[in-house]
Amino acid sequence: GQQVMQIPQYQHVQEGEDFTTYCNSSTTLSNIQWYKQRPGGHPVFLIQLVKSGEVKKQKRLTFQFGEAKKNSSLHITATQTTDVGTYFCAGKFSGTYKYIFGTGTRLKVLA
Amino acid sequence: NAGVTQTPKFQVLKTGQSMTLQCAQDMNHNSMYWYRQDPGMGLRLIYYSASEGTTDKGEVPNGYNVSRLNKREFSLRLESAAPSQTSVYFCASSDPGANQPQHFGDGTRLSIL
Repeated sequence: GQQVMQIPQYQHVQEGEDFTTYCNSSTTLSNIQWYKQRPGGHPVFLIQLVKSGEVKKQKRLTFQFGEAKKNSSLHITATQTTDVGTYFCAGKFSGTYKYIFGTGTRLKVLA
Repeated sequence: NAGVTQTPKFQVLKTGQSMTLQCAQDMNHNSMYWYRQDPGMGLRLIYYSASEGTTDKGEVPNGYNVSRLNKREFSLRLESAAPSQTSVYFCASSDPGANQPQHFGDGTRLSIL
């Protein structure tokens, strides 16, 4: 079946260190979205990647979509305590309206 | 500007009881979704509705039914609740035409004893 794998499951970093989470699909994705969920909250949309090899930046966050459109990454430079939460990727497959979410990476930032 | 509203926010049920989770959106979106979130499992799609009058199964539909009452409302029903259905349930909506983001409600925390 269609699956989106995400690693790592957890990451603890010291404030100021960098952080990266990775998503992989066994089949080509139509597009991929990234969401952030704060503890006790709901997922909030961060960004969408559509094109092969696409790179987008939002301040300290850098998002990449692989050339084969099967993998994606989110990199945070110099983490801050406000970055705490769980980051999810959600992949969409051609011919469907539904998104398959990765299992998420829970980020903890130690001050 | 409410966005996606879910009711109730919390519920405790006994095994075998039934209940309906309500979801309404005021953004005129065509697509609506129901997910469940369990620790370490991420968000798993239960059912979705691409447009008013249509519904489709997601990854984990067993034990659930849905109704797309109109464009605004999409309800999720548990006919005979089981402890395995203890979870946090999120409703979301989006406009699928241009790969738009999903907007989530605050969730319903459901415990089944």
